[in-house]
Amino acid sequence: DAGVIQSPRHEVTEMGQEVTLRCKPISGHDYLFWYRQTMMRGLELLIYFNNNVPIDDSGMPEDRFSAKMPNASFSTLKIQPSEPRDSAVYFCASSPPPGAGAALFYNEQFFGPGTRLTVL
Amino acid sequence: AQTVTQSQPEMSVQEAETVTLSCTYDTSESDYYLFWYKQPPSRQMILVIRQEAYKQQNATENRFSVNFQKAAKSFSLKISDSQLGDAAMYFCAYRSTNTGTASKLTFGTGTRLQVTL
Repeated sequence: DAGVIQSPRHEVTEMGQEVTLRCKPISGHDYLFWYRQTMMRGLELLIYFNNNVPIDDSGMPEDRFSAKMPNASFSTLKIQPSEPRDSAVYFCASSPPPGAGAALFYNEQFFGPGTRLTVL
Repeated sequence: AQTVTQSQPEMSVQEAETVTLSCTYDTSESDYYLFWYKQPPSRQMILVIRQEAYKQQNATENRFSVNFQKAAKSFSLKISDSQLGDAAMYFCAYRSTNTGTASKLTFGTGTRLQVTL
């Protein structure tokens, strides 16, 4: 398996522009997480999905942020309009369902390589 | 809510020596998971080691081991025979087993480990 795939790896945009980050989880994983990493705030969970349904979006900073998971193999995190304070590394992670066969991995999240976003 | 504290922003160790990174956490739960993740300059988050709270035995993974003190809510990482490739940010993380929050990881602020020759 190729692991969690994120695109783009780097994004530079101007303030006010729309930014869309993409994630493809590991096949068979039914949990998907979006994290943001900054120097000031460290790693923060923004939102997570289970079976394509958003379960907890309490970490989403404001209405400019939205996330979707239209199917089991794809998720997007959108920022509209973007602001310089949104500059950060955004990670996507996925996790398999608990239960027999996957119990060993029940508690592990597999991270993608991250997208470094710079908003000028 | 759970919190994770890493009080050492930076640590340094000589190659082949041993270093211990500290982590404490706060929780009212009795069952949970604890993790150490490594983030090298490539930014990839890599799971180093995990510990189930109900297990008394400390987890080990090759040169990496933990000292889990449940009563003290302490979860330190020991790296033996340090190698240049161990240089990275290390994050301690907590994961509840409660159904409502079972999947959320709470991270500490990280410790940057330097390995010197």
